[in-house]
Amino acid sequence: GAVVSQHPSRVICKSGTSVKIECRSLDFQATTMFWYRQFPKQSLMLMATSNEGSKATYEQGVEKDKFLINHASLTLSTLTVTSAHPEDSSFYICSAIDLLGETQYFGPGTRLLVL
Amino acid sequence: QQQVKQSPQSLIVQKGGISIINCAYENTAFDYFPWYQQFPGKGPALLIAIRPDVSEKKEGRFTISFNKSAKQFSLHIMDSQPGDSATYFCAARLNNAGNMLTFGGGTRLMVKP
Repeated sequence: GAVVSQHPSRVICKSGTSVKIECRSLDFQATTMFWYRQFPKQSLMLMATSNEGSKATYEQGVEKDKFLINHASLTLSTLTVTSAHPEDSSFYICSAIDLLGETQYFGPGTRLLVL
Repeated sequence: QQQVKQSPQSLIVQKGGISIINCAYENTAFDYFPWYQQFPGKGPALLIAIRPDVSEKKEGRFTISFNKSAKQFSLHIMDSQPGDSATYFCAARLNNAGNMLTFGGGTRLMVKP
């Protein structure tokens, strides 16, 4: 199956700093990428949909100024958590859809801990 | 509003047994139903998927049964193994919503040796 990578796999930062998470589709081009957040023992919560070359579409309740998304190429989307606070600590997962537009392939996730 | 309801929340099965996880949906505009397997600390991995024009799909030990009239679908894991212990998520896709997936709440499966 298609491979999606995320970097870093885990990050610890101080409150108030910004953290950038990269999501790459390694062996296919992805016009659409999604960013999810997952709390322990819970399901995936969609944060935003990222389309290459256009602005991301955010789900209700997700602050677009806090979670900046850039999808600069067909293989890379980035999520920047700005001025991170402890309540932003979570598991962030991206996914990508190939050009056929059906299957979502998920990255391995990024564990963010804000102290 | 939870559009995809998944049950049970947790499941314990003996090795060699059959694990059954059920999902129900309301929106008839869903057109694609994947199942994902997630191990702790990892991202979800696509296991198997089905379209509503098919009543059953089998891949190895994994089978999806789909009941369109009842708006229900289920995952059956035959000959369950300890290595199958993970969290399983059903999902449903809206065709006209940019391929967004709506996930069920998840089922934590434990297969006892």
